[in-house]
Amino acid sequence: GQNIDQPTEMTATEGAIVQINCTYQTSGFNGLFWYQQHAGEAPTFLSYNVLDGLEEKGRFSSFLSRSKGYSYLLLKELQMKDSASYLCAVRVSDYKLSFGAGTTVTVRA
Amino acid sequence: DAMVIQNPRYQVTQFGKPVTLSCSQTLNHNVMYWYQQKSSQAPKLLFHYYDKDFNNEADTPDNFQSRRPNTSFCFLDIRSPGLGDAAMYLCATAGRVSDHEQYFGPGTRLTVT
Repeated sequence: GQNIDQPTEMTATEGAIVQINCTYQTSGFNGLFWYQQHAGEAPTFLSYNVLDGLEEKGRFSSFLSRSKGYSYLLLKELQMKDSASYLCAVRVSDYKLSFGAGTTVTVRA
Repeated sequence: DAMVIQNPRYQVTQFGKPVTLSCSQTLNHNVMYWYQQKSSQAPKLLFHYYDKDFNNEADTPDNFQSRRPNTSFCFLDIRSPGLGDAAMYLCATAGRVSDHEQYFGPGTRLTVT
């Protein structure tokens, strides 16, 4: 079975930084994705980590530690439009992803 | 320049009345997926196609079937929808393994009355 855990909800203020943690125990590991999903819309790709370390892409960064089964997504300079659900997903085989339930981030003015 | 298209965006069906959801893609990707996502839950993979090879998840109910007549189109058939099948259904595609990413359509919100 696959077990991917992330917090259910987080709230932060506009301009602040928020870190969303994800821990995983899966039958296979070929990389870890973060997706953003606005309410009622499809998930959109944010980042992909396959090696340990930090990947930075603009205001968003993602970190991976394979030995710890741990990743985080860092959102900097939060904007109102960043209010969304953030999904952690592990690539458990060449073509299959296993998703966490998502973390709903609410950005307050 | 939509890449993964799902129709309709909203579908209402009656309990037990068969319904078909459709997905098309302009990416020419080999792999197509159907996910079910209920409120505040993870997307749950129902099945996927690699070209014409169908791969069913072990816990996908028999009530759910799929067809892929060609590279561009994929259909999800729910033979006898129950109230518990009300959900967002997401179609996604993937290309070569090295491309990593799955590309999602906008989803179809299914309501069962």
